[in-house]
Amino acid sequence: KAGVTQTPRYLIKTRGQQVTLSCSPISGHRSVSWYQQTPGQGLQFLFEYFSETQRNKGNFPGRFSGRQFSNSRSEMNVSTLELGDSALYLCASSPALVAGSRTDTQYFGPGTRLTVL
Amino acid sequence: EDKVVQSPLSLVVHEGDTVTLNCSYEVTNFRSLLWYKQEKKAPTFLFMLTSSGIEKKSGRLSSILDKKELFSILNITATQTGDSAIYLCAGRYGGSQGNLIFGKGTKLSVKP
Repeated sequence: KAGVTQTPRYLIKTRGQQVTLSCSPISGHRSVSWYQQTPGQGLQFLFEYFSETQRNKGNFPGRFSGRQFSNSRSEMNVSTLELGDSALYLCASSPALVAGSRTDTQYFGPGTRLTVL
Repeated sequence: EDKVVQSPLSLVVHEGDTVTLNCSYEVTNFRSLLWYKQEKKAPTFLFMLTSSGIEKKSGRLSSILDKKELFSILNITATQTGDSAIYLCAGRYGGSQGNLIFGKGTKLSVKP
């Protein structure tokens, strides 16, 4: 099975611009979560999508948004970029609830390294 | 406020040493604790722990959870240079599927 893929892998933007990151989960996985990783704050949860609906949301401003498509692929958008948005953005997929069983394991993609100048 | 705290933040050992990494948590509606290894790329899953006192093992790595004292440890025996990485601990919490709150990680460096 192919792993979680994220595109692009690297991105350089300037302040005030917006950016869209893409994540394709492992085939059959219905849950996609997004995380921001910085040296100072570590890994922080952004939001989780399941069946095209945002199910959980972390403590990030409204400039951070996302969506999930019917094929479970997900996009994350950051508008009006700030210098502090420079980070590694990780996407993780999970099998989620399947026929009454659960798995808590999340599988991470390679991440998108965003640099804001 | 929910939080996961890992210690030490960094550790330098020599090949063959045994190390113990610590993770304490305060997580509302706690469901499970996960350990990940992160090298120069995405975290890779190591263990998921849901029950107290049951050790999980994978080769030279093992982990255990204490739900009464709210902590977990990750042991690595006979360390190798390939074990050099950041080890992340995360608490899974909350609703229907819940989500993860991560600690800041322990950076392990294994010297030859």
